Amino acid sequence: DAGVIQSPRHEVTEMGQEVTLRCKPISGHNSLFWYRQTMMRGLELLIYFNNNVPIDDSGMPEDRFSAKMPNASFSTLKIQPSEPRDSAVYFCASSLDPGETQYFGPGTRLLVL
Amino acid sequence: AQSVTQLDSQVPVFEEAPVELRCNYSSSVSVYLFWYVQYPNQGLQLLLKYLSGSTLVESINGFEAEFNKSQTSFHLRKPSVHISDTAEYFCAVTPSGGYNKLIFGAGTRLAVHP
Repeated sequence: DAGVIQSPRHEVTEMGQEVTLRCKPISGHNSLFWYRQTMMRGLELLIYFNNNVPIDDSGMPEDRFSAKMPNASFSTLKIQPSEPRDSAVYFCASSLDPGETQYFGPGTRLLVL
Repeated sequence: AQSVTQLDSQVPVFEEAPVELRCNYSSSVSVYLFWYVQYPNQGLQLLLKYLSGSTLVESINGFEAEFNKSQTSFHLRKPSVHISDTAEYFCAVTPSGGYNKLIFGAGTRLAVHP
């Protein structure tokens, strides 16, 4: 299995621009998680989907962030408009079922200038 | 609510020496415990986990961790480290059963020197 796939791996953008991060979970996994990793705050869960439905979005920072999962094999995390404080590494993870081991993608390193 | 404290932000050690990375947690309910490893510029990989049963769990590359309920600890140990073990290690906790958030510690950077 190819594992969790994320794109792009690196993104540099200017403040105010829209950023879209993409994730393909492991085939057959029905739970998908978006995390953000920063030096200051460590690893934070942003949102969790189960069977393509958002279950827990309490970690989404504010209205500038949105996430979708239109089907079982694809999810997006969008930031509009982006701000310098959004600079971080964003990870996607998937698991077979809720509560099962989560498998992480390689991450997208975002820099907002 | 649960929380995780990794007591050391950095641990330098020489190759072939033993190492212990400390993790303490707090929770009012029973928990599952995990150690994840993150190599440079990569995502997190599961190293080992405790769900139930034997309190000593092992990974395939020589790491082990022991769940100590009375001390609310889940320290990670390896008797002899390699250069290739240089990475960041994260302890995580979640309430047992069903879906709950994984709460991660701040991480411990293990640096193995020749």
